[in-house]
Amino acid sequence: AQSVSQHNHHVILSEAASLELGCNYSYGGTVNLFWYVQYPGQHLQLLLKYFSGDPLVKGIKGFEAEFIKSKFSFNLRKPSVQWSDTAEYFCAVNAQSGGYQKVTFGTGTKLQVIP
Amino acid sequence: DSGVTQTPKHLITATGQRVTLRCSPRSGDLSVYWYQQSLDQGLQFLIQYYNGEERAKGNILERFSAQQFPDLHSELNLSSLELGDSALYFCASSVAKRLGEQFFGPGTRLTVL
Repeated sequence: AQSVSQHNHHVILSEAASLELGCNYSYGGTVNLFWYVQYPGQHLQLLLKYFSGDPLVKGIKGFEAEFIKSKFSFNLRKPSVQWSDTAEYFCAVNAQSGGYQKVTFGTGTKLQVIP
Repeated sequence: DSGVTQTPKHLITATGQRVTLRCSPRSGDLSVYWYQQSLDQGLQFLIQYYNGEERAKGNILERFSAQQFPDLHSELNLSSLELGDSALYFCASSVAKRLGEQFFGPGTRLTVL
C-alpha cells in the first residue's frame, strides 16, 4: 500500500533560519511527488512538483525539494524562512494504481516562524 | 483562485441531519477528489470520481456518499451526522488522464452541533 511519512509534525524556527522538512514515501513504482502549502485559513496550494528529470526541483517563494529515489525521499528546503512562511506543509504522492491515479497525502508539518 | 468552487462556505447543522456539499471543478478537469480535514485526523482522502465514475475510495464512511454529474460537478452527501464529522471538506480537481497536480477549492467548513 502506498504511504507517505512526514517526520516533523511541528517545527518552530526564527526568521532567516534554514528549513528542511522530511518526506518519505513507500511505493515501488513510478511516482509523481508534490509539496502543498496551506496558509492559515486558506486552502491548499501547490508549492512544487516533481514528475521526472532533474531531481532538484525549484518551486515558488524560494522553496526547493530534492527527490532521492534510493531513499524514497522528497525533502522540502528553504535557505532562509520568513514569517510569512508560517503555514502547514503537506507532502503528497501520486501513483498509477489499477488504471487510475491514487493520491496519498502525508499528515502535514506545521511550521511556525518567529519574527 | 484555483478555479475550483465549493458551496457553501460554512454549514452548521445538528446531529442526525443530512447535508450536501457541492463542488465545481476547473474547466476541463474530469477528475474530482473529496478530502476531509480535521484537527485530529489530518487530511484524509475520501473518494475520487473521474468523468462520472467512481475511481478510488479512501477513508470514506458508509454514511457518506458522493456522485459526479454529467456537467462534471460533484456532490458529497453526509448523512446521520455526528459531532465528529465536524471538519473542513475540500474538493480538488485534476485532468487525471495523466498523473498531475490537483487544484484545491476553498473548502466547506461543516460544524455539527
